[in-house]
Amino acid sequence: ETGVTQTPRHLVMGMTNKKSLKCEQHLGHNAMYWYKQSAKKPLELMFVYNFKEQTENNSVPSRFSPECPNSSHLFLHLHTLQPEDSALYLCASSQDEGNEQFFGPGTRLTVL
Amino acid sequence: GQQVMQIPQYQHVQEGEDFTTYCNSSTTLSNIQWYKQRPGGHPVFLIQLVKSGEVKKQKRLTFQFGEAKKNSSLHITATQTTDVGTYFCAGMRDSNYQLIWGAGTKLIIKP
Repeated sequence: ETGVTQTPRHLVMGMTNKKSLKCEQHLGHNAMYWYKQSAKKPLELMFVYNFKEQTENNSVPSRFSPECPNSSHLFLHLHTLQPEDSALYLCASSQDEGNEQFFGPGTRLTVL
Repeated sequence: GQQVMQIPQYQHVQEGEDFTTYCNSSTTLSNIQWYKQRPGGHPVFLIQLVKSGEVKKQKRLTFQFGEAKKNSSLHITATQTTDVGTYFCAGMRDSNYQLIWGAGTKLIIKP
């Protein structure tokens, strides 16, 4: 499946680094999402964008900064992360909010 | 806040046995979706239920949506090794079309 792509697939970073995760969807969808998946909390919604506008921010710390330049691309900028931020970060898209979601393969992030 | 509780967290079965996972919401949902995540993979959409009391089947999988639209279940008949993974339910709020995810049930086939 190549409808939703994410890069990089794996990322190791130190707590002082700045990095960005990229998501691209080729499905013509209007809504895009960032999720965090870890062993302790299986699937946590972080951010929702609909028509490039952020519609949900689930009390995510400011060290995570999303950017949605257009309806096909979504970024997650990372800065001064903590080891507990290590997780699988999943991007998803849907035709509109509430419709079935199509997930990317995820970025496995390790913070040292 | 509104929650969707999913049980059990894990279920170990022998191949050929049945498997069921349940989701319960504190409030009425407009619809509920089910996803499957294989080990090392990402969630993949299985089905959406919209109507009160709705039952849908996909081969060995049976999905139900309760009459009050607050609970749902997924039942797999005669499990196979290809069924291994985590099954998530996600209920949609009426108010803002946001999905509320259950914690998932991990299906494990005993060797």
